Amino acid sequence: ETGVTQTPRHLVMGMTNKKSLKCEQHLGHNAMYWYKQSAKKPLELMFVYNFKEQTENNSVPSRFSPECPNSSHLFLHLHTLQPEDSALYLCASSQGTSGAPDTQYFGPGTRLTVL
Amino acid sequence: QQQVKQSPQSLIVQKGGISIINCAYENTAFDYFPWYQQFPGKGPALLIAIRPDVSEKKEGRFTISFNKSAKQFSLHIMDSQPGDSATYFCAASMGSSYKLIFGSGTRLLVRP
Repeated sequence: ETGVTQTPRHLVMGMTNKKSLKCEQHLGHNAMYWYKQSAKKPLELMFVYNFKEQTENNSVPSRFSPECPNSSHLFLHLHTLQPEDSALYLCASSQGTSGAPDTQYFGPGTRLTVL
Repeated sequence: QQQVKQSPQSLIVQKGGISIINCAYENTAFDYFPWYQQFPGKGPALLIAIRPDVSEKKEGRFTISFNKSAKQFSLHIMDSQPGDSATYFCAASMGSSYKLIFGSGTRLLVRP
């Protein structure tokens, strides 16, 4: 596998369920990101991890809980979500080089539907 | 101040025509302006990027024009092809920040 992979690709869950999204990057990068993509809205940055440390939390509700066990893997744990959380959740990775533009490479996303 | 405003929301162009997508920003600290292309079922992918020290960058049929005084930049797709049909996002970032601020996207349809 190359690039950035995400599983599952599609997820339907009830508001009381607990589920997790998984992201894996095979690019040797040090930074990983979670984005939320809703229809007709800009991509919203949720979390940033650099060298496994969380460096950004963009005021995301606590029902979203990220986990980065190593530089290659990133999880997004979901619990008691709301229907308005239905969206495409994108994972990205980048080199994590400070002081220079950092190209982000995106996975295909997980399409989440909250019933 | 952190917003990047993108227009139009959607665009239909005939094959062989020129597609033009515009973006505007307020924060003069932004110093890196990439464009991402997203096909259905895929994540966005970097298409082309520019720094504010140049007014234009061209890669094949894709050109970014940058107007620093107007705080605007645009993507021009020459000789547009049906395979260019996708959603295009402009973005901006500053300094060493990892944070990209994205525009709202433009859905381009190139008719055969």
